[in-house]
Amino acid sequence: DTGVSQNPRHKITKRGQNVTFRCDPISEHNRLYWYRQTLGQGPEFLTYFQNEAQLEKSRLLSDRFSAERPKGSFSTLEIQRTEQGDSAMYLCASSLGQGARTQYFGPGTRLLVL
Amino acid sequence: DAKTTQPTSMDCAEGRAANLPCNHSTISGNEYVYWYRQIHSQGPQYIIHGLKNNETNEMASLIITEDRKSSTLILPHATLRDTAVYYCIVRVDFGNEKLTFGTGTRLTIIP
Repeated sequence: DTGVSQNPRHKITKRGQNVTFRCDPISEHNRLYWYRQTLGQGPEFLTYFQNEAQLEKSRLLSDRFSAERPKGSFSTLEIQRTEQGDSAMYLCASSLGQGARTQYFGPGTRLLVL
Repeated sequence: DAKTTQPTSMDCAEGRAANLPCNHSTISGNEYVYWYRQIHSQGPQYIIHGLKNNETNEMASLIITEDRKSSTLILPHATLRDTAVYYCIVRVDFGNEKLTFGTGTRLTIIP
């Protein structure tokens, strides 16, 4: 049973650079979620996909952020012109079916913007 | 989603039952109580959920008060691996896909 995987696990970048993270959900899970977690806080919802359609975006997702799930399988989250405030753990989760009660989380990508 | 209130931190001796409380006084009739936990440097992990009745699975038990305004997560025989941040989340099952996490309870199991 392969769980949700995320790559890279860690990323250090300089302010102003673009970064892209990848999430591979559990096979056949049709829903995929992105969350962001800053130090000492719980995860905050960013966006979610049902198959390839992006159905909801949080106000936290500024225009510098874009997420895609082109074939309804893996997803990418890109941050353009990174800022120090983007430093956080970016978590991906997947689930099966509408209103699924269990979201399975990956290990996260920790981003540090210098 | 209804707001939840949890203690910031708790300690529990290894081998004893850990009882983690959660207040959700504004919970609606169609909202479920979920518990997730997050072990250091890992993603959150689902533990259990319930609507009205008490629930038990291989990981934990969930006790929900009759008025549904509070609940308790019980880890019956805590081990060092149960040291984590525990999140109580209130959520409707349909029409709301996101999980709204608070700051949770940091549970430390003492050897």
